Amino acid sequence: GESVGLHLPTLSVQEGDNSIINCAYSNSASDYFIWYKQESGKGPQFIIDIRSNMDKRQGQRVTVLLNKTVKHLSLQIAATQPGDSAVYFCAEIIGNEKLTFGTGTRLTIIP
Amino acid sequence: DTGVSQDPRHKITKRGQNVTFRCDPISEHNRLYWYRQTLGQGPEFLTYFQNEAQLEKSRLLSDRFSAERPKGSFSTLEIQRTEQGDSAMYLCASSPQSGAGTEAFFGQGTRLTVV
Repeated sequence: GESVGLHLPTLSVQEGDNSIINCAYSNSASDYFIWYKQESGKGPQFIIDIRSNMDKRQGQRVTVLLNKTVKHLSLQIAATQPGDSAVYFCAEIIGNEKLTFGTGTRLTIIP
Repeated sequence: DTGVSQDPRHKITKRGQNVTFRCDPISEHNRLYWYRQTLGQGPEFLTYFQNEAQLEKSRLLSDRFSAERPKGSFSTLEIQRTEQGDSAMYLCASSPQSGAGTEAFFGQGTRLTVV
């Protein structure tokens, strides 16, 4: 079975608001976690990653939080824009090898 | 365009036919991955190469599937005797050896429809 899963399949957010996408994982041996954004008809696009020895990492308008105690990962997007509408996947890496993806959350930005 | 390139973008084939997809990775990347993605699901790992060596194959990669990367540059994925269940998006990704996974760049994918 899949090690990585998402709590919600869809999320609608008002433009300008912040959005939070959650992800649960089960493999405590994961070394890295990555968030990808996938727009319709395109391949996944890297957003941000976090090592397993970190709790938080910030990028431009995005923040990833890692809670190893409860094996939970979240992606926060600040001041959402229409271009943020996409499917977001969390993925994990064990031993610097392949990515294992979760199912995905579809984020819809409401104008 | 210096990104990962996949060809063709779309392929419609009849059940039982063979198909071959091509992936051209970013030129300086040593690692090349193949993934399969069905509607509403995340990409599923199929196989990956370190240069020309195929290092791992998923159990999803049945004996009808074969992948090659003969010169450590482009790669091909062949599906023999296609079945309707093979219909999916086939994604290729590449990464530099030192950043395997975290710096994986994906192509646009090849969408296969088996009729």
